[in-house]
Amino acid sequence: RKEVEQDPGPFNVPEGATVAFNCTYSNSASQSFFWYRQDCRKEPKLLMSVYSSGNEDGRFTAQLNRASQYISLLIRDSKLSDSATYLCVVKRAGMRFGAGTRLTVKP
Amino acid sequence: EAEVAQSPRYKITEKSQAVAFWCDPISGHATLYWYRQILGQGPELLVQFQDESVVDDSQLPKDRFSAERLKGVDSTLKIQPAELGDSAMYLCASSAGQINTGELFFGEGSRLTVL
Repeated sequence: RKEVEQDPGPFNVPEGATVAFNCTYSNSASQSFFWYRQDCRKEPKLLMSVYSSGNEDGRFTAQLNRASQYISLLIRDSKLSDSATYLCVVKRAGMRFGAGTRLTVKP
Repeated sequence: EAEVAQSPRYKITEKSQAVAFWCDPISGHATLYWYRQILGQGPELLVQFQDESVVDDSQLPKDRFSAERLKGVDSTLKIQPAELGDSAMYLCASSAGQINTGELFFGEGSRLTVL
């Protein structure tokens, strides 16, 4: 079993849609949690951290459930520019990445 | 534009040959990571350095891979001998090492093709 698991998608949604990505992690000793974004043929970049209380950054909302070892990312009012792969990342000593969920937002 | 420098950007080699990748992290970043990313998958951690010391190399295939960061600044990842399954993007990342910051700064990567 992989340490960080994500639904690989792809998710194909129209502009303006709301889309949610899920992620689970296996090691309860994991300390910190993040979402990264990776555009095609580019390096990953930090999108946002994830806190137990839940946190928002504009159209993006991230949530963490430590008891269930579950992380989510919600994107509201999707834009064409949101098309990318979204990587769930867990910090346990090193930073460990999920396989990513691919999102395509269509006009 | 990424500030973590990596070279070469592209490398084509035949199996059984030796390959080396170089990374220069952001100045002052104590933590350096090497990841391998196969197309369609997420980055897989190979090795993590804190200054010149290896913190985690549990996923590094030590029979053929080696990594060093002798002076705690730039780093080299070597593969010898290369195998077909090593074809991937090799990403270097650095961070200031602050707990919970979570921001890794990646280089543009070195794409390896083994023939």
